Amino acid sequence: GQQVMQIPQYQHVQEGEDFTTYCNSSTTLSNIQWYKQRPGGHPVFLIQLVKSGEVKKQKRLTFQFGEAKKNSSLHITATQTTDVGTYFCAPAYNQGGKLIFGQGTELSVKP
Amino acid sequence: NAGVTQTPKFRVLKTGQSMTLLCAQDMNHEYMYWYRQDPGMGLRLIHYSVGEGTTAKGEVPDGYNVSRLKKQNFLLGLESAAPSQTSVYFCASNEGSYNSPLHFGNGTRLTVT
Repeated sequence: GQQVMQIPQYQHVQEGEDFTTYCNSSTTLSNIQWYKQRPGGHPVFLIQLVKSGEVKKQKRLTFQFGEAKKNSSLHITATQTTDVGTYFCAPAYNQGGKLIFGQGTELSVKP
Repeated sequence: NAGVTQTPKFRVLKTGQSMTLLCAQDMNHEYMYWYRQDPGMGLRLIHYSVGEGTTAKGEVPDGYNVSRLKKQNFLLGLESAAPSQTSVYFCASNEGSYNSPLHFGNGTRLTVT
C-alpha cells in the first residue's frame, strides 16, 4: 500500500534559525495537505498543494511540491516560539476519501 | 458555529469495558474520520465514512466499530477496551473529497487501565 515518510521526527532549533520538514512518498500523489498541531491542541489545516513543482508561501512558511509529486517540504524562515508544535503532511492518493497522515515532525524552539 | 464537537473530552475505562465516542459536525460535511494519536506514531486512521450509512476501514480498525446513521454524527465504539487502546482520539470531517481540508474536533483522551 501507499506509504509516506516524514522526516525528521524531532527538530530542536534556536529562535531565529530556519526549520524544514520533508514528506516523501513511494508513489505519486494526487495532492498533499499540511497541518500544524500546537501542544495539547488539535491539527489545523495550513495549506494544500496540487500541481507539480508548486510553491506556496504563508508569511515565513514556504511549502513545496516536488516535480514528480512524490515529495513535499515545509520550510520556516527565522523560527519564532509561536512556531512550536507538530507539523504533519497528509498526502492524498486519490483513494476516494481516505486521508493518511505522515508521522509528523515535532518542532521545539528555544528562545 | 461549533464545527466538530467530540464527547466526552476525557474517559478512564477498565479493561473489558465498552464505550462509545460521539462526533458531531454542523457543517453539513459529507466525509467523517476517526484518528488515534499516540506519541511518536502520528495520526493513524481508524475508520472513515464517505456518507450517511457508509463506513470503511482505515489503517488500524481492529478493536473498533463505527456507525454513521445520521450525516452529522459519527460514532466510534470500543466493545471490549484494552490498554493498547489508551490514546487520544480525534474526529475530523471535510466537504466530501480528498481535496478538502479536514476540520478536527478537540479530541478525546482515553485511558484504559
